[in-house]
Amino acid sequence: RKEVEQDPGPFNVPEGATVAFNCTYSNSASQSFFWYRQDCRKEPKLLMSVYSSGNEDGRFTAQLNRASQYISLLIRDSKLSDSATYLCVVRVKSSGDKLTFGTGTRLAVRP
Amino acid sequence: NAGVTQTPKFRILKIGQSMTLQCTQDMNHNYMYWYRQDPGMGLKLIYYSVGAGITDKGEVPNGYNVSRSTTEDFPLRLELAAPSQTSVYFCASSPRIAGDNEQFFGPGTRLTVL
Repeated sequence: RKEVEQDPGPFNVPEGATVAFNCTYSNSASQSFFWYRQDCRKEPKLLMSVYSSGNEDGRFTAQLNRASQYISLLIRDSKLSDSATYLCVVRVKSSGDKLTFGTGTRLAVRP
Repeated sequence: NAGVTQTPKFRILKIGQSMTLQCTQDMNHNYMYWYRQDPGMGLKLIYYSVGAGITDKGEVPNGYNVSRSTTEDFPLRLELAAPSQTSVYFCASSPRIAGDNEQFFGPGTRLTVL
């Protein structure tokens, strides 16, 4: 089983739609969680951290469910500019604080 | 600030050739990392450094070497290039512990080994 698993997509949605991505992680010792965004042929950039109580940043909402070991990202009112790959990222303190990246979920927002 | 810069942007190598991928950051970050990203795969950590003079292996270190003589620079060396090293290489830096701080990535180096 992969340490971090994501549905690769692509998710094709119209502008204005709400879309949600899930990510599961296998190591129960995982301590920190993030969503990174990666545009085509570009470097990853931090979108948001994921906190235990859930957190929101504008149109983006992240949730963490430790009991089921999954993380979610909800995007409301999708924009064309949201088209990208979204990487789920997990940190396990016992593994030297390294980050483990999922393979990413691709989102395509159409006009 | 330029952030994290990488050179070259693209490179084609023949099997058995050597090269150094350059990475420089101007944010005075202690931590630096090298990742590779293969199509359809997540980023894999090759090597990392927690400060000048200190380096450690990541998940996929075989075939690579690094050095960290200054805070700013973290070059990655490929000694005997193999087709399996065809990938996109990203350098990243963070202020301190990875999990507690954002990692800032460079634009990447696309390497093809033929």
